[in-house]
Amino acid sequence: EAQVTQNPRYLITVTGKKLTVTCSQNMNHEYMSWYRQDPGLGLRQIYYSMNVEVTDKGDVPEGYKVSRKEKRNFPLILESPSPNQTSLYFCASSFKGAHQPQHFGDGTRLSIL
Amino acid sequence: SQQGEEDPQALSIQEGENATMNCSYKTSINNLQWYRQNSGRGLVHLILIRSNEREKHSGRLRVTLDTSKKSSSLLITASRAADTASYFCATVRGGSNYKLTFGKGTLLTVNP
Repeated sequence: EAQVTQNPRYLITVTGKKLTVTCSQNMNHEYMSWYRQDPGLGLRQIYYSMNVEVTDKGDVPEGYKVSRKEKRNFPLILESPSPNQTSLYFCASSFKGAHQPQHFGDGTRLSIL
Repeated sequence: SQQGEEDPQALSIQEGENATMNCSYKTSINNLQWYRQNSGRGLVHLILIRSNEREKHSGRLRVTLDTSKKSSSLLITASRAADTASYFCATVRGGSNYKLTFGKGTLLTVNP
């Protein structure tokens, strides 16, 4: 089954404790991206990747890092999480870019205390 | 600036009625996409309309695009309780195929 898998689905952690949210897709997609969703603000793009080893900033990249060492995986790293990063995070992928229909994961709800 | 603003923010209708949601955007676009999100779940792609298209249909969905007014509308006909969800438009700005900008969404409630 074609899917985008995020882990964990839920996480409560404390300020400053490094965490990684994993994202994996099994559709051989070149394009992957991360979004955060906050009440009243909709989805905002954090980072995206056009292919292996090629990443770029979205609209809200501050406080986040990403890497794309393999085509199927695109982890989101919070090196020193802060409470303002409490949010619902989504990973998405498509064959070539944002101009194509995106396949979304089920989301990761992060709470930073 | 916000690229993609849905209107209304919330819409409540009875089953069987039609639901219309609007989206406005500010800059030139390559295409415009509509997504649905059931409460707390991932977004599901509904329909994509290119900048040179004016109307597109998919089942009970009808999307229009007016590039002169920088606006799009999503019509759901004969709505069902299962259509209850948030609906988002998303735009890819002209000149870039990699940045996708979402609006804040319309929460549609279809009452049985």
